[in-house]
Amino acid sequence: KAGVTQTPRYLIKTRGQQVTLSCSPISGHRSVSWYQQTPGQGLQFLFEYFSETQRNKGNFPGRFSGRQFSNSRSEMNVSTLELGDSALYLCASSFGYGGANVLTFGAGSRLTVL
Amino acid sequence: AQSVTQLGSHVSVSEGALVLLRCNYSSSVPPYLFWYVQYPNQGLQLLLKYTSAATLVKGINGFEAEFKKSETSFHLTKPSAHMSDAAEYFCAVSEEGGSQGNLIFGKGTKLSVKP
Repeated sequence: KAGVTQTPRYLIKTRGQQVTLSCSPISGHRSVSWYQQTPGQGLQFLFEYFSETQRNKGNFPGRFSGRQFSNSRSEMNVSTLELGDSALYLCASSFGYGGANVLTFGAGSRLTVL
Repeated sequence: AQSVTQLGSHVSVSEGALVLLRCNYSSSVPPYLFWYVQYPNQGLQLLLKYTSAATLVKGINGFEAEFKKSETSFHLTKPSAHMSDAAEYFCAVSEEGGSQGNLIFGKGTKLSVKP
């Protein structure tokens, strides 16, 4: 079956712009999580959605937002981009919420802010 | 809050040698523990997970990890390294009381395999 699909894979934006990243989870998976990966900070949790509800949120400013649709697809948005937002944004999906549910990651969306 | 420490940001081994990647976590109760691998320009792939069923966990590609509560460690090993094992490896722990979505990752260890 198809894996987690993230679009776009690469994008370049300038400071002050906004960006929307998309994530299609594995069919049947209802939980979607987002992570930011940078060389300096490593992998940091952004937020998690389950059944269209945000269940958890990491320590990121309000410029970072997300949502999940009824088909479990998710989008994250970053407004007023800063140079420090340049990163690989990873989406992961799992069947359930909590416990030992396994996260399956997508290939990521690499954002460069100039 | 929980934290994960991976000793050694870079590890280099010869092909056929033992691979040992170290991971220590901070937690007062046994958490869920994971090892993921990331190849260049790819996402993370689960190698194995510990969920209290057994202290020695076997994963894919010949990797295994042992949970040691007394040492709060979850080191990853492979008896014989292969060139294809060159990648970055991440240890992760789940938040207490949280879902698996709240994974806390270590900084990662880049494994190089010399021919």
